[in-house]
Amino acid sequence: EAQVTQNPRYLITVTGKKLTVTCSQNMNHEYMSWYRQDPGLGLRQIYYSMNVEVTDKGDVPEGYKVSRKEKRNFPLILESPSPNQTSLYFCASSVEGVDQPQHFGDGTRLSIL
Amino acid sequence: GNSVTQMEGPVTLSEEAFLTINCTYTATGYPSLFWYVQYPGEGLQLLLKATKAVDKGSNKGFEATYRKETTSFHLEKGSVQVSDSAVYFCALKPSGYNKLIFGAGTRLAVHP
Repeated sequence: EAQVTQNPRYLITVTGKKLTVTCSQNMNHEYMSWYRQDPGLGLRQIYYSMNVEVTDKGDVPEGYKVSRKEKRNFPLILESPSPNQTSLYFCASSVEGVDQPQHFGDGTRLSIL
Repeated sequence: GNSVTQMEGPVTLSEEAFLTINCTYTATGYPSLFWYVQYPGEGLQLLLKATKAVDKGSNKGFEATYRKETTSFHLEKGSVQVSDSAVYFCALKPSGYNKLIFGAGTRLAVHP
C-alpha cells in the first residue's frame, strides 16, 4: 500500500530534550516536505527536499533541522525543543514537486512542556 | 507577499444543501491553486486544482474556478453529504517556487 509513515504519532516531552520525528515513504517520490499545523494558521511549511541531499527552508524553519540521506526518509529533528513548537506535524511527499498531489502522513502531535 | 484567506468556519449545513467555501489569494504572477481536504484524524488529501486563469478544477462533485480578476478560487458543491464533513484548505503555489501556502482551513459539518 502506498503510504507516508510518521513516527511517533504522539509525543509528550520536556523543553531542551532532543527529539526526532521520522518520515518514510514507499512511493519512490523525489519531493518531501514537513509542515506544522496550528489552529487558525493552517499548515505552514518548515522544510522541503527536492531530492536526495537537497533540502531548503520553508516559511518557518527556525528551531528545526532535516536531512535527506536516502530518497525514502526525511526525518525532522528538534535539537532543543521549546513550548512554542507544540503543534501537529505532517510529512508529505510527491513525485517531484507541489504541482503533483501531495501524499500526507497521518500526523505527529508533539507537546513540549 | 503570498497569502491565502478563507472564510471562517465552522460551516454547518443540512444534507443535500448547497456548499460554498470562499477563498481569495494574494500572489504575484500566476500561481497554481489547490483545495485540500482533511478528514478527522487523517492527513490532507488533494481534492482539486487549477493551474491557470479560468481553469475549473473538479472532483467528487466539488468544483472551483480560478478567477484571476477577483483573485478567488471558491469551492462549491451542489448537494453535500454527511461524509463531506471535514476541514477544507485552500492553497497556492507561488509562480517560480516549489512550496504551498495554505489558508487557515474551514471546517464543514453536515448533519442528516
